[in-house]
Amino acid sequence: GEDVEQSLFLSVREGDSSVINCTYTDSSSTYLYWYKQEPGAGLQLLTYIFSNMDMKQDQRLTVLLNKKDKHLSLRIADTQTGDSAIYFCAEILVGNNRLAFGKGNQVVVIP
Amino acid sequence: NAGVTQTPKFQVLKTGQSMTLQCAQDMNHEYMSWYRQDPGMGLRLIHYSVGAGITDQGEVPNGYNVSRSTTEDFPLRLLSAAPSQTSVYFCASSYGAGYTFGSGTRLTVV
Repeated sequence: GEDVEQSLFLSVREGDSSVINCTYTDSSSTYLYWYKQEPGAGLQLLTYIFSNMDMKQDQRLTVLLNKKDKHLSLRIADTQTGDSAIYFCAEILVGNNRLAFGKGNQVVVIP
Repeated sequence: NAGVTQTPKFQVLKTGQSMTLQCAQDMNHEYMSWYRQDPGMGLRLIHYSVGAGITDQGEVPNGYNVSRSTTEDFPLRLLSAAPSQTSVYFCASSYGAGYTFGSGTRLTVV
């Protein structure tokens, strides 16, 4: 099925690290994504990871992929107030190229 | 600027009215799709198209129609709007795994 699970809310102090978790169901997914949505705005692609990788680092962002457990995480180092947003993980479903989203995780950064 | 253009950005409808949300892309992408976003629900796929003349249903297609007469355009029609269709609608186009999203249409049905 197309069921991407995410926890709903996370608060973090400015300067700390934040970790957002996601589990997905399609073990044959080729790409997994993290999107950011600021209030009232559209979707911004933050980063993605190909399924044959287990880690990807991009400046303050680190993506970890555990294929055995179908678990994806996003770590934001030195969290800043501009990181306050909703973060969605998403997977490409093999066979039909559809993009399935999790319910989103709201991150609130406390100054 | 290349990308996905959605119009209108905001719309208020009365229950029972019909309207069309427009989506256009200039990247020559074959794959286009419509999502709706509701609080705590993430984005759910309404309809999608793998090319001109071909459309198919997603997770939540009821109350919506689509057509794809050209590669560039993928309009979403609400035949008889209901309050349950109050949502933010996003159109996307893609080539392979590279998705581009429009900026969204915020629809309120009263």
